[in-house]
Formats: sequence, C-alpha cells, structure tokens
Amino acid sequence: EAQVTQNPRYLITVTGKKLTVTCSQNMNHEYMSWYRQDPGLGLRQIYYSMNVEVTDKGDVPEGYKVSRKEKRNFPLILESPSPNQTSLYFCASSLGRGRAQYFGPGTRLTVL
Amino acid sequence: EDQVTQSPEALRLQEGESSSLNCSYTVSGLRGLFWYRQDPGKGPEFLFTLYSAGEEKEKERLKATLTKKESFLHITAPKPEDSATYLCAVISNFGNEKLTFGTGTRLTIIP
Repeated sequence: EAQVTQNPRYLITVTGKKLTVTCSQNMNHEYMSWYRQDPGLGLRQIYYSMNVEVTDKGDVPEGYKVSRKEKRNFPLILESPSPNQTSLYFCASSLGRGRAQYFGPGTRLTVL
Repeated sequence: EDQVTQSPEALRLQEGESSSLNCSYTVSGLRGLFWYRQDPGKGPEFLFTLYSAGEEKEKERLKATLTKKESFLHITAPKPEDSATYLCAVISNFGNEKLTFGTGTRLTIIP
C-alpha cells in the first residue's frame, strides 16, 4: 500500500531533550516536506527537500533540523525542544512539479 | 505572498442538503490548487487537483471547480460520513512546491 508513515504518533517530552520524528514514504517520491498545524494558523511548512541531500527552510524553520540521506526517509529533528513547538506535525511527499502531496498520519508533540 | 481564504469557517447541513464551500486565493502564478479532507487528529487526505480556470473534477458527492480567483467545492446530497474539515491549498509557480493552506471549513452533516 502506498503510504507515508510517521513515528512516533504521540510524544510528550520536556524542554531541552533532543528528539527525532521519523518519516518514510514508499512511493519513490522526490519531494518531501514537514508541516506543523496549529489552531487558527492552519498548516505551515517547516522544511522541505527536493531530493536526496537537497533540503531548505520553509516558513517556520526555527528550532528544527532535517536531513535527507535516503530518498524514502526525511526525519525531523528538534535539538532543544521548547513549549512553543507543541503542535501536530505532518510529513508529506509528492512527485513534485505541482503534483499532489500525500500526508502521513501525524505526530502529536507536547513539550512541557 | 500567496494567500488562501476559505469560507465559511463552519457549516452545518441536514443530510441531503446540498451546498458549496469557497476558497479564494491570491498567488504569483498558480501551479495547482488542491482540496483535502481532514478528519480530527488525522492527516489531510487528498481529494482533487485543479490546474487551470474552467477545470472541474468530481468524486462521488463532491465536485471541485476553479476560476482565476477562487475555487468551489460543491457537495451534493451529503451524508453524515462527509462530516470533516475541508482544506484548500495552492502551489505557486515561483515557490518550492510549498502548499499554502487556508484554515479550512468545518463541515457537519446532521442525520
């Protein structure tokens, strides 16, 4: 089944404790992206990757890092999480060039 | 800066009562307009892509249309299972494939 998977689905952590949210897709998509969703603000792009080893900042990159060493994986790293990073996070992938993006199931992160 | 505005914010309909959701957009060259459905706590589910004014797409009780300034998602004879938040998003010709989203319309279908 074609899909985007994320782990963990739920995470409660404390300020400053490094964490990684994994994202994997099995559709051979070149483009991958991370979004966060907050009430009243909608979905906003954090980072994106056009292909392996090519990543760049989106609209709200502060406090996040990413890497793209393999085509299928695009982990999101929070090196020193803070309470304002409490949010619902989504990974998405597509063929690029204006094609539809397919989203993972989401990771609900709470930073205390 | 690309912008997407959706209206209404929330809509309650009786089962079988048809209606339309609106998505107005401003973008520096439209590469594509997308409709998604999102259930609470879940990831957006892709519904339609529209690329040029005049284009229409249909799927079951849903029909999406596009003009140069807005898109409509028409829902015909809705059922309770159509209850969800419907999101509209655009990709610009000059961006990085970033989806710029509206804040959605929360649709409730009452049996």
